[in-house]
Amino acid sequence: EIVLTQSPGTLSLSPGERATLSCRASQTVSSSFLAWYQQKPGQAPRLLIYGASSRATGIPDRFSGSGSGTDFTLTISGLEPEDFAVYYCQQYGTSSYTFGQGTKLEIK
Amino acid sequence: QLQLQESGPGLVKASETLPLTCSVSGGSISGSTSYYWGWIRQPPGKGLEWIGSIHYSGSTSNNPSLKSRVSISVDMSKNQFSLKLNSVTAADTAVYYCARRPVGGGFDIWGQGTMVTVSS
Repeated sequence: EIVLTQSPGTLSLSPGERATLSCRASQTVSSSFLAWYQQKPGQAPRLLIYGASSRATGIPDRFSGSGSGTDFTLTISGLEPEDFAVYYCQQYGTSSYTFGQGTKLEIK
Repeated sequence: QLQLQESGPGLVKASETLPLTCSVSGGSISGSTSYYWGWIRQPPGKGLEWIGSIHYSGSTSNNPSLKSRVSISVDMSKNQFSLKLNSVTAADTAVYYCARRPVGGGFDIWGQGTMVTVSS
């Protein structure tokens, strides 16, 4: 099973700043089958990025994903008030999918 | 517009079986070979855990940590897919989501989730 470790656990930033979230895998993620999700309290997760760097439908271009192999990054440039939430990475490159433990992005 | 809706008991007794159904509207489960249908859960205050997925052809994959307690099936006549989780314990208390995953992509459409509590 591939273990995904996200860092930091909590990130405190102000609106307008740039957020950089990390997701490290215990093994190579096949074909960059890595996704990022945003979850707000009481809501289902929302897909942001798939294939490590492709934005899902309707996702603003301030969200970008990068990386390959075992190291992946989600970048949010110019934080908007609605971006403060919990973010999860997920790999689907094996028959057993796994999620990271999440990064909470909070307002400073 | 495709929508998913979970349904099932909100309360299950320990050691019993948890049955959940995901109803798909606005599209057909068997309409394309390009999708998998999955179950994900989230214990209160914790992160997401993938439970398992199914293709309309019947091919399934499950989380090894749940071992043989998980059974996922699809009913194309009702445009639904279902989860059965056996021998539940308090650790199975969670919000359960159903979701669609395109081949090569992440889970792009989610149900609203249903809270299930396991009582002793």
